[in-house]
Amino acid sequence: AQSVSQHNHHVILSEAASLELGCNYSYGGTVNLFWYVQYPGQHLQLLLKYFSGDPLVKGIKGFEAEFIKSKFSFNLRKPSVQWSDTAEYFCAVNRAGGYQKVTFGTGTKLQVIP
Amino acid sequence: SAVISQKPSRDICQRGTSLTIQCQVDSQVTMMFWYRQQPGQSLTLIATANQGSEATYESGFVIDKFPISRPNLTFSTLTVSNMSPEDSSIYLCSVEGPGNEKLFFGSGTQLSVL
Repeated sequence: AQSVSQHNHHVILSEAASLELGCNYSYGGTVNLFWYVQYPGQHLQLLLKYFSGDPLVKGIKGFEAEFIKSKFSFNLRKPSVQWSDTAEYFCAVNRAGGYQKVTFGTGTKLQVIP
Repeated sequence: SAVISQKPSRDICQRGTSLTIQCQVDSQVTMMFWYRQQPGQSLTLIATANQGSEATYESGFVIDKFPISRPNLTFSTLTVSNMSPEDSSIYLCSVEGPGNEKLFFGSGTQLSVL
């Protein structure tokens, strides 16, 4: 079964700082990778996803993530965070091909200080 | 996109009682998913509910504890039976978007069991 590890549980940054949230997964086959975000008081929503092709994917609000297959990683990055990026971020994975169960990481709470 | 209405949004229940959570989607969907998010832990899939068939439960979850109904393509309920404090958690309803590309989530039900 696949699993997802997020190494940072709580990250505090000042505005304009750069962000990188780590995500590693365990599964040897072809995978789809996701980052979901939950802003305070809002639903979980998709931030970006990787299915195939260019391993550097861009999502909403200036976020990007890079799939490194050899490292089983899908780290989330943003060059300059804003106070409005304060949220909880979840990395997720499922096996490619039709519907496959989505497995989530434990989440990283990001707090951006103005 | 899919809009999911979930209720109740929160409840405080006594040990030994049961609570039924409702999930309504604004479009017809084949599969609906129920997740649990315990404090400090990842979202864990409880079961997948298809209309017209019994729900499929993940390891560690059983129908007697978490009975699910799926009477039509836009509605599902999850019951948390014979509750104990260990059932205190956020319960989330989710559906899949077209092409299995992402999940849409309800706002969640925050359950506290005393």
